[in-house]
Amino acid sequence: KAGVTQTPRYLIKTRGQQVTLSCSPISGHRSVSWYQQTPGQGLQFLFEYFSETQRNKGNFPGRFSGRQFSNSRSEMNVSTLELGDSALYLCASSLQGANYGYTFGSGTRLTVV
Amino acid sequence: DQQVKQNSPSLSVQEGRISILNCDYTNSMFDYFLWYKKYPAEGPTFLISISSIKDKNEDGRFTVFLNKSAKHLSLHIVPSQPGDSAVYFCAASAVTGTSYGKLTFGQGTILTVHP
Repeated sequence: KAGVTQTPRYLIKTRGQQVTLSCSPISGHRSVSWYQQTPGQGLQFLFEYFSETQRNKGNFPGRFSGRQFSNSRSEMNVSTLELGDSALYLCASSLQGANYGYTFGSGTRLTVV
Repeated sequence: DQQVKQNSPSLSVQEGRISILNCDYTNSMFDYFLWYKKYPAEGPTFLISISSIKDKNEDGRFTVFLNKSAKHLSLHIVPSQPGDSAVYFCAASAVTGTSYGKLTFGQGTILTVHP
């Protein structure tokens, strides 16, 4: 059974650019959530999607957005990148949501220069 | 506000002994708790979970205890092995409310098991 796949693994972008990260969940999983991990803030919830609908959103500015497709694959987009957006972005999938436990991907390491 | 707290940034244990990692929470709506293990440059790996209707759950060397009245949970690893060395995160979720559909993580505890 394939795990959660995130692409790309590493990314370097310049301030002001935008970036799109991709996540393919475990087959059959309909809930996909995104987290940002930084040394100072730890693991912070960005948003969660279930059957193409955003069910919950964390405390991040509107520059952070996401979507989910009919096959449950998800993308997140960050526009007008700032240096502080440098982080490990983790995607996780679950059958139905947090109470079923999440399986995480290996993450995308984004560096903004 | 930090709704899930792991007050010990690090823990050092001898191989074969017990490792006890602690976690406190403040949100009464949390009804499901999980422990994850994480190596650098990798995503967290699920270890064990517990529902709020239970006070203990075991899986091999790992046992999680939940004290709802104290809003406290702990992860026991017995016996500890060098391969257990990693960062351990406590996480909590709620079926309803603003926590719906998300995990709230603690800051993590670095466990080092010495041979």
